[in-house]
Amino acid sequence: DAGVIQSPRHEVTEMGQEVTLRCKPISGHNSLFWYRQTMMRGLELLIYFNNNVPIDDSGMPEDRFSAKMPNASFSTLKIQPSEPRDSAVYFCASSLSLPGTVGYTFGSGTRLTVV
Amino acid sequence: RKEVEQDPGPFNVPEGATVAFNCTYSNSASQSFFWYRQDCRKEPKLLMSVYSSGNEDGRFTAQLNRASQYISLLIRDSKLSDSATYLCVVNIGGGYNKLIFGAGTRLAVHP
Repeated sequence: DAGVIQSPRHEVTEMGQEVTLRCKPISGHNSLFWYRQTMMRGLELLIYFNNNVPIDDSGMPEDRFSAKMPNASFSTLKIQPSEPRDSAVYFCASSLSLPGTVGYTFGSGTRLTVV
Repeated sequence: RKEVEQDPGPFNVPEGATVAFNCTYSNSASQSFFWYRQDCRKEPKLLMSVYSSGNEDGRFTAQLNRASQYISLLIRDSKLSDSATYLCVVNIGGGYNKLIFGAGTRLAVHP
């Protein structure tokens, strides 16, 4: 099992540029979650999908953020235009959405720096 | 009020010590509970689930008090390798396995 795969691992970009983060969930998992982690705010849930459908995007900070899941094996989180305050580690996680499911599996994260 | 609250620490303890972390949650409809461990610059990883009757996994014991909306983690005989941030996590239900994470408690075990 390859686990949840995120790319890139690190991204440094200039303010105003578009940034696209990618995630491949574990095969067979039907829920996918995007989190952002900063020292100040901890882990924040941005958006989650179930069976490729966005269920709750109330955590998305602004219209500059958008996420898609075109199929069961791929999701993107896009920031356009990026700002320095978007600098954080962005985690993708996947799980099976069934009773008794024990937690998520996280990817290794993308460390984003906007200068 | 945050949905999941933890003491951020750090807890600095010597090897062999027993240390306890506490956590409170605000949503009384929360359905399941977990402790995750996060090492520096790594992703969070599931440490253990927390059951109403309390459960143990080696040196780790987790307790849940639904009436008080309180979760605890006890680590006995601390090892240097236990140094990490421990995240209290609550599944608030709704059918989609949505997990809310506390900010974490940092543990540093020293020789």
